[in-house]
Amino acid sequence: DAKTTQPPSMDCAEGRAANLPCNHSTISGNEYVYWYRQIHSQGPQYIIHGLKNNETNEMASLIITEDRKSSTLILPHATLRDTAVYYCIVRAHLSNFGNEKLTFGTGTRLTIIP
Amino acid sequence: DGGITQSPKYLFRKEGQNVTLSCEQNLNHDAMYWYRQDPGQGLRLIYYSQIVNDFQKGDIAEGYSVSREKKESFPLTVTSAQKNPTAFYLCASIGSTNEKLFFGSGTQLSVL
Repeated sequence: DAKTTQPPSMDCAEGRAANLPCNHSTISGNEYVYWYRQIHSQGPQYIIHGLKNNETNEMASLIITEDRKSSTLILPHATLRDTAVYYCIVRAHLSNFGNEKLTFGTGTRLTIIP
Repeated sequence: DGGITQSPKYLFRKEGQNVTLSCEQNLNHDAMYWYRQDPGQGLRLIYYSQIVNDFQKGDIAEGYSVSREKKESFPLTVTSAQKNPTAFYLCASIGSTNEKLFFGSGTQLSVL
């Protein structure tokens, strides 16, 4: 399984863009990058995913480097409600679904500063 | 509304007792997962199941057992062999045509 590494914690001022990095240097060609976030004592919530192109949705943007060895999650205008732990994971393409061991790392604890 | 329901929200275990955490989903998902989370830590995989009557050990399966007799249900039993069971337990599921992993709201297990 591909592994991911993330900084343990980050701070960001309210209203600024929060940029959360993730390294996944052993990612395979058919593996997607997924981002989830977990607010204290709740189940993680899906944010966004991508394969090799940059992606944007109503929550965030995902920038994946050309060699796909790292990515950055961008929260364009951070609010206090964005304070959470953010997890970056990689998983195989859906065609390989059948024996998928989904593992999470320790994530990045993002604190939005008023 | 479709989703994953975990119960109970809080559970207390006595020494030497087995306890079972419930996880039910009505999303028609094939795969289900159990994770353990300790304070300030990430999620660690306990067991996962891709299909009814089949399941695989995750990274920390010792002291736990599961069953998958129905597609919608994936209960986790914390046995007396698990010497440090106090943790937050999360259940998740994903469908074969769905890209997103859905999580339940979790069960906090504590030892009396």
